[in-house]
Amino acid sequence: GEDVEQSLFLSVREGDSSVINCTYTDSSSTYLYWYKQEPGAGLQLLTYIFSNMDMKQDQRLTVLLNKKDKHLSLRIADTQTGDSAIYFCAGDLDTGRRALTFGSGTRLQVQP
Amino acid sequence: EPEVTQTPSHQVTQMGQEVILRCVPISNHLYFYWYRQILGQKVEFLVSFYNNEISEKSEIFDDQFSVERPDGSNFTLKIRSTKLEDSAMYFCASSFQNQETQYFGPGTRLLVL
Repeated sequence: GEDVEQSLFLSVREGDSSVINCTYTDSSSTYLYWYKQEPGAGLQLLTYIFSNMDMKQDQRLTVLLNKKDKHLSLRIADTQTGDSAIYFCAGDLDTGRRALTFGSGTRLQVQP
Repeated sequence: EPEVTQTPSHQVTQMGQEVILRCVPISNHLYFYWYRQILGQKVEFLVSFYNNEISEKSEIFDDQFSVERPDGSNFTLKIRSTKLEDSAMYFCASSFQNQETQYFGPGTRLLVL
């Protein structure tokens, strides 16, 4: 079945760039998403990319999509301590289905 | 900015009791969803709802669960005869159209004792 995989942990220094990676098994997604979850809080939509795009930039966030390798990444420029959170990638991996399949989340720790 | 809201934020219940989790989706959205996240695990899809009926459900969403849109604004998830393993964070989400961006609420943390 469809699956989404992420590395579990990333630690960076404040001001550096962070790159969070995600791979998925099914290539029929329409959209791929990045959500942010702060401790005890809900899922905040950060950004998304349509499957026919390779790149999307939104202020400090850059999403890269490599459909051939089924690889999605989120780059956060000038990472701040407030960016410390768990980042989930998700996709609607089955054609026609609305259900999102989530990765296990990457915990980003930003060191001051 | 419009947002999805959920009540209560936390609920503690005894095993075997029924709980109802409530959600108010974004007002012009047409598709509604429930997901759950067991502590330390992935967010899992439960069910989607459109035009007053279930449009998709996962294998988790068995006869113990039901959803309803009792009026024009609320969307509820009922869990009958709760089990210990139902303890999780339950997220409601909504989207305007099919396969469009889903916006999530803050979640209800359910603890079954």
